[in-house]
Amino acid sequence: EIVLTQSPATLSLSPGERATLSCRASQGVSSYFAWYQQKPGQPPRLLIYDASNRATGIPARFSGSGSGTDLTLTISSLEPEDFAVYYCQQRSNWPPRYTFGQGTKLEIK
Amino acid sequence: QVQLQQSGPGLVKPSQTLSLTCAISGDSVSSNTTAWNWVRQSPSRGLEWLGRTYYRSTWYNDYAESVKSRMTINPDTSKNQFSLQLNSVTPEDTAIYYCTRGGSLPGTPLDHWGQGTLVTVSS
Repeated sequence: EIVLTQSPATLSLSPGERATLSCRASQGVSSYFAWYQQKPGQPPRLLIYDASNRATGIPARFSGSGSGTDLTLTISSLEPEDFAVYYCQQRSNWPPRYTFGQGTKLEIK
Repeated sequence: QVQLQQSGPGLVKPSQTLSLTCAISGDSVSSNTTAWNWVRQSPSRGLEWLGRTYYRSTWYNDYAESVKSRMTINPDTSKNQFSLQLNSVTPEDTAIYYCTRGGSLPGTPLDHWGQGTLVTVSS
């Protein structure tokens, strides 16, 4: 079973700064990765799919990179609405399942 | 525009069955390119995928190992919705439950989510 470990657990930054969030998979297998943003009281929102593709309506300041076991979500210049919790997610083909990381909380410094 | 509307009770007694329904608008539960999932979220377990149903000329279901023996997901084509039944619940099943769509993008990411239902298991 693949485990996704996100770091850091909490990231304190100011608006306008660059945010770099990491996600490491316990195994390097062929699979798909995605990133989600969640704000209090709301469901997660898809940001990035297939490791590096922005979902519909997601601003260009969000970008994803990486493959294999190490993924990165970068927010180039933080806006006030970007402070939230971010989750990485992996989907495996067999057995079919989705696995989520434990989340990184991005908070205002 | 795809929308998912959840319904079902927020309180279930231990050992009983948790039942939730997700009504779909803007897409079809019988789509050949998407899948319909349930995910739950709790402080102790984080986000946890529970299972999915999808149609590819016939119906398929996949379930997480952690709930496989207790869970059923059923599509309802007449109402364009799908449902979750989780049997023999315990307080550990207390969580926010979400229905989600696995879209047709590479990796079938979960691109649309219901509003969530907080389900508490308590006597």
